[in-house]
Amino acid sequence: AQTVTQSQPEMSVQEAETVTLSCTYDTSENNYYLFWYKQPPSRQMILVIRQEAYKQQNATENRFSVNFQKAAKSFSLKISDSQLGDTAMYFCAFVRAMEYGNKLVFGAGTILRVKS
Amino acid sequence: NAGVTQTPKFQVLKTGQSMTLQCAQDMNHEYMSWYRQDPGMGLRLIHYSVGAGITDQGEVPNGYNVSRSTTEDFPLRLLSAAPSQTSVYFCASSSDRGLGTGELFFGEGSRLTVL
Repeated sequence: AQTVTQSQPEMSVQEAETVTLSCTYDTSENNYYLFWYKQPPSRQMILVIRQEAYKQQNATENRFSVNFQKAAKSFSLKISDSQLGDTAMYFCAFVRAMEYGNKLVFGAGTILRVKS
Repeated sequence: NAGVTQTPKFQVLKTGQSMTLQCAQDMNHEYMSWYRQDPGMGLRLIHYSVGAGITDQGEVPNGYNVSRSTTEDFPLRLLSAAPSQTSVYFCASSSDRGLGTGELFFGEGSRLTVL
């Protein structure tokens, strides 16, 4: 089965500190894409960062970076200098092939609360 | 640029009623999909389409029907609503049916309650 596991249902961090959200996945494919999406209280889904599995270099987008360990099938998200606006549900996802196209397989999500 | 537009944003139904969630995108995206979001389960794919006339089932298709007659629209039909279909529904589209090179653009979600 191709699944995504986020083992931390909830986390909290103080403003300006660093937090890491964990994600593991299971796939038999060799080339694939991984994503972190953010869902703030507004419910809007926002792409945070994207990683291509064939690239060894970890992706970085401003304060957001990933630690991609392909052999361990681990894809954690690090948020540096946390801000109140980072408070949201975070979903890890990877692309799975379907018959006519692909789909995103999502984890259950981690609620992150940034405290002032 | 409107992006992905879903209507209605909120709906309450009685068991057995039918309804259609509308989804429209103005980005000329080939790929469109419907997900449902439930607590503790993330988002699960209901149906998807890679172009007009082409649809396929996702993980949880039972009780839902879709069609794709135009590039812009991808409505989701609930045939006979059940309490188990109480959820938040998201429509999403992408310029890339492989979803690798392009991100998935989401609508704002539709909260459906079935009594």
